[in-house]
Amino acid sequence: DQQVKQNSPSLSVQEGRISILNCDYTNSMFDYFLWYKKYPAEGPTFLISISSIKDKNEDGRFTVFLNKSAKHLSLHIVPSQPGDSAVYFCAARISGGYQKVTFGTGTKLQVIP
Amino acid sequence: KAGVTQTPRYLIKTRGQQVTLSCSPISGHRSVSWYQQTPGQGLQFLFEYFSETQRNKGNFPGRFSGRQFSNSRSEMNVSTLELGDSALYLCASSLDGVGETQYFGPGTRLLVL
Repeated sequence: DQQVKQNSPSLSVQEGRISILNCDYTNSMFDYFLWYKKYPAEGPTFLISISSIKDKNEDGRFTVFLNKSAKHLSLHIVPSQPGDSAVYFCAARISGGYQKVTFGTGTKLQVIP
Repeated sequence: KAGVTQTPRYLIKTRGQQVTLSCSPISGHRSVSWYQQTPGQGLQFLFEYFSETQRNKGNFPGRFSGRQFSNSRSEMNVSTLELGDSALYLCASSLDGVGETQYFGPGTRLLVL
C-alpha cells in the first residue's frame, strides 16, 4: 500500500520555466511533509518541508504547497535551472513519533538548457 | 563535519549468502535509519536505531536485521539473500530522530546474482 504517491515518474522542463512536481498521500495522520532531491550516486538531500498547519512554504526558488483536503502537495521550482535535474522524492511523517518517514517513488526532473 | 558514510559502496553477492552493510552517522547524531531503494518502489523504511535500541521497524521480513553500537555506528544484515534484495541501501542520521531533518549517506549498491 503506497501511502505517498508520485504519479509522474518523469518531467521535462525548459530552463527558466516553472517545474511543478506533484505528490498525493492517503494517510490523514501525516502532518509533516518533506521534499528531497537526489543526484545519481549520492544520497537524498533535504530540500524543503511544510507542516500541516501551513499551506505554503517558500525557500528561494522552491515553494511547497499543501492542500490538506485533497491530500495533495506540490513543489514549484521557479525558475528551473539545469542543476535542478535530479530525482525528487516527496515524503511524509507523523509528528511526535520517532523517525519513520514514508517516501514516494520519486519524479525524475530534467531541465533542458 | 564529515557527512554520513556507508561501506562498502558496491557489493555483489549470490543467492543464499548473507551480507553486512555499515553506516557511520554524522558526529553527534544518535539516530540512524535504514532505507531500501528499488526502481518503482521509492525509498522504503527498514528500521531506525537510537542509543543502540531499535525504535521503529518497517514491513520487511526477519531476514533484515540491524544493530547500533555505542558510538552510534550502525550495521544492517541481510541473511539468505534473494534476487529481489538487489537494491540501493541508504542510511540516514539525525540528532535524536524526532522532528529534525535526516542526512543521508551515498548508499550501498547491492547486487544479488
